[in-house]
Amino acid sequence: ETGVTQSPTHLIKTRGQQVTLRCSSQSGHNTVSWYQQALGQGPQFIFQYYREEENGRGNFPPRFSGLQFPNYSSELNVNALELDDSALYLCASSFNVGGLPQETQYFGPGTRLLVL
Amino acid sequence: KQEVTQIPAALSVPEGENLVLNCSFTDSAIYNLQWFRQDPGKGLTSLLLIQSSQREQTSGRLNASLDKSSGRSTLYIAASQPGDSATYLCAVNRVRWSGYSTLTFGKGTMLLVSP
Repeated sequence: ETGVTQSPTHLIKTRGQQVTLRCSSQSGHNTVSWYQQALGQGPQFIFQYYREEENGRGNFPPRFSGLQFPNYSSELNVNALELDDSALYLCASSFNVGGLPQETQYFGPGTRLLVL
Repeated sequence: KQEVTQIPAALSVPEGENLVLNCSFTDSAIYNLQWFRQDPGKGLTSLLLIQSSQREQTSGRLNASLDKSSGRSTLYIAASQPGDSATYLCAVNRVRWSGYSTLTFGKGTMLLVSP
């Protein structure tokens, strides 16, 4: 198992609500990336935080936002939830230099979000 | 836009067979390529990472090759076992112009190894 943890493991929300997902990175890692994985699909890149700043973003609307804290843990916030936001949300941590990974990314177990 | 395709989408084999999973990508300007394993409802486990300058990597019964110029990678699993049953994902790591890298994944190959 990796040292990356995520909470909660499962979550049920209704349309229009807001949700916060949490990720603790592996010790020594300074970068966290978030991915959304719909059923039967590969993970899609949402955004990446490097040394507490967002340094890259995929094709997701602004209602997807995040934070990285001084201990390099991270949060993913989603406002105004839609049915299509139902997915497995994965975070991955890595040690980056100048924004580039020096080794493989380590993934957490994910948070399964269901929007009704 | 980088696109990653994995073939086949699903594979069912008897225990002991050697098998090959295929991955192709459209943009050869990659930083590295990784193969992951995903068990149902779980996160991703990294199996092999091949840097863009490398041709192959091996770990136990797994061997991954990379042909960057043709945009292809293969994952070879020798002497398959029921415990190998999982979805295998290929992901290419690309460096963006602003200096960060992202993984672009294929949809995966779902492997079932029967005893």
